[in-house]
Amino acid sequence: EIVLTQSPGTLSLSPGERATLSCRASQSVNNNYLAWCQQKPGQAPRLLIYGASSRATGIPDRFSGSGSGTDFTLTISRLEPEDFAVYYCQQYGNSPFTFGPGTKVDIK
Amino acid sequence: EVHLLESGGGLVQPGGSLRLSCAASGFTFSSSAMSWVRQAPGKGLEWVSSITSGGNTYYADSVKGRFTISRDNSKNTLYLQVNSLRAEDTAVFYCGKGTAFEIWGQGTMVTVSS
Repeated sequence: EIVLTQSPGTLSLSPGERATLSCRASQSVNNNYLAWCQQKPGQAPRLLIYGASSRATGIPDRFSGSGSGTDFTLTISRLEPEDFAVYYCQQYGNSPFTFGPGTKVDIK
Repeated sequence: EVHLLESGGGLVQPGGSLRLSCAASGFTFSSSAMSWVRQAPGKGLEWVSSITSGGNTYYADSVKGRFTISRDNSKNTLYLQVNSLRAEDTAVFYCGKGTAFEIWGQGTMVTVSS
């Protein structure tokens, strides 16, 4: 099973700042099948990034994904008020398809 | 519009069973892999199971032998039969399109308690 580790656990930033979230896999993710999703309190998650770097439909271009193999990054170039949420990475290259524990981005 | 709607959750005693459903619309269901994920109260996301368009199935070790994923392409509906439920299965269960969860449903709550 591929274990995903996300850092930091919590990221405290102000609107307009840049957010950099990390996801590290215990072994190489097949085909870089790594996704990022966002979840706000009381809501279902929504997909932001798939295939490590492709933005999902309707996702603003301030969200970008990068990385390959075992190290992946989600960058939010300038935080908007609606971006404060929990972010999960997920690998879907090898079953069991696993999620990371999440990074909470909160308002400083 | 692409839409997923889960149903079938509820309160069940330990050892009990439920069948969760996920009604899909707005896309070619029969051509899509589908998945289930759960989230225990206050916790993170846990992948549960996936089924390919061809019917191949995959399960998390924590549910293997107790949960069964299936699909009815004629009804555009995904199912999850959950048996031998335990308190630790208490969670919101979400269905999703694909294995990267391109689209998420709103979830259905399963509570296992005596």
